[in-house]
Amino acid sequence: DGGITQSPKYLFRKEGQNVTLSCEQNLNHDAMYWYRQDPGQGLRLIYYSQIVNDFQKGDIAEGYSVSREKKESFPLTVTSAQKNPTAFYLCASSTYRQGKGNNSPLHFGNGTRLTVT
Amino acid sequence: KQEVTQIPAALSVPEGENLVLNCSFTDSAIYNLQWFRQDPGKGLTSLLLIQSSQREQTSGRLNASLDKSSGRSTLYIAASQPGDSATYLCAGTPAQGGSEKLVFGKGTKLTVNP
Repeated sequence: DGGITQSPKYLFRKEGQNVTLSCEQNLNHDAMYWYRQDPGQGLRLIYYSQIVNDFQKGDIAEGYSVSREKKESFPLTVTSAQKNPTAFYLCASSTYRQGKGNNSPLHFGNGTRLTVT
Repeated sequence: KQEVTQIPAALSVPEGENLVLNCSFTDSAIYNLQWFRQDPGKGLTSLLLIQSSQREQTSGRLNASLDKSSGRSTLYIAASQPGDSATYLCAGTPAQGGSEKLVFGKGTKLTVNP
């Protein structure tokens, strides 16, 4: 079955350590996204990528980094510079139609819950 | 800045009831709109996507509509079932943006009691 796989489901780290969250998709989607979800808030976009070897900052990119070396993979690194890293992180993907806006549904993984102490 | 309000924040109904969830945007210029379902501790599942040329979409017991003049959308759930219990989120794309511009509401938590 096609889908998005995020791993691990739960992640615990000490403050000051960098940590990388994995996101893999086999939907052949061009575009991939990382969101952060906090209690009582809507999803906020961290980074997105519309094509391999290219990515753009979202609304809250500070303290995060990404890479897009393969179409299927879009890992997110939470660095020690991120002041409030404890959150639920969601990866998503979609097709992308240049020139008409992206009017295809987003497909989400099941998320990684990161706890930093 | 575009903001999305979902009303009510939480809703509890008996099984079998028809219900309506509401979503409104501060800027009514919405290109397309999606409704999602989120189960506890899980990711979001896309339910319905209303494209720029459409006004509503239906899937089974779900019907979503979008009034572009007011920037309001409703999700209608017919004959609710306990399995419908989840948080429902709406998200809209501004007229000049792709999915990277999606703005999400905070969701309505629905509980359907047997």
